[in-house]
Amino acid sequence: LAKTTQPISMDSYEGQEVNITCSHNNIATNDYITWYQQFPSQGPRFIIQGYKTKVTNEVASLFIPADRKSSTLSLPRVSLSDTAVYYCLVGVSFTGGGNKLTFGTGTQLKVEL
Amino acid sequence: DTGVSQNPRHKITKRGQNVTFRCDPISEHNRLYWYRQTLGQGPEFLTYFQNEAQLEKSRLLSDRFSAERPKGSFSTLEIQRTEQGDSAMYLCASPTSGRPGELFFGEGSRLTVL
Repeated sequence: LAKTTQPISMDSYEGQEVNITCSHNNIATNDYITWYQQFPSQGPRFIIQGYKTKVTNEVASLFIPADRKSSTLSLPRVSLSDTAVYYCLVGVSFTGGGNKLTFGTGTQLKVEL
Repeated sequence: DTGVSQNPRHKITKRGQNVTFRCDPISEHNRLYWYRQTLGQGPEFLTYFQNEAQLEKSRLLSDRFSAERPKGSFSTLEIQRTEQGDSAMYLCASPTSGRPGELFFGEGSRLTVL
């Protein structure tokens, strides 16, 4: 499975845009890029998934360059409630393989007033 | 609420005792996953079921751990002869019927071994 590297922590202020970048140099051709959010004492929660270019949903955007060796999760106008750990995952294949998700240590985002 | 229910939410036990956790997944989903998470770490894959069949088990899982999913419905995770190193959050997850890699996680069962 492709390994991911992301910053251990990030700090921001309410109303700012936050971009968390993840490196995945060994991503396989069939792999998706998936991001999860986790609050203390809760299970991870799916945020967004993409394969290439840009994906946007109601909570975030995901930017993936052409070489797919990295991806950037963008959270617009964060609030205190966005304080959480964010995980970048690769290794889930749209061909049906990669049944298990492998989480790294994630990025602890802290949002302050 | 993700629709994945786990019980008990908290369990404190003494070293050497056996403990069992239960997961009730989203009813129409045939796949079920167990993960373990220790403080400051991401969730670690333990095992995976397709209906009642246990298709994959982590090599990191010792023989003291066993999981079952009778009739492809709820699942149990049993830890025998608990050790302090087993203290962790045990998470159960059920996939959506949509995107691959999109799992609904329960709120977990926190185990503390004294």
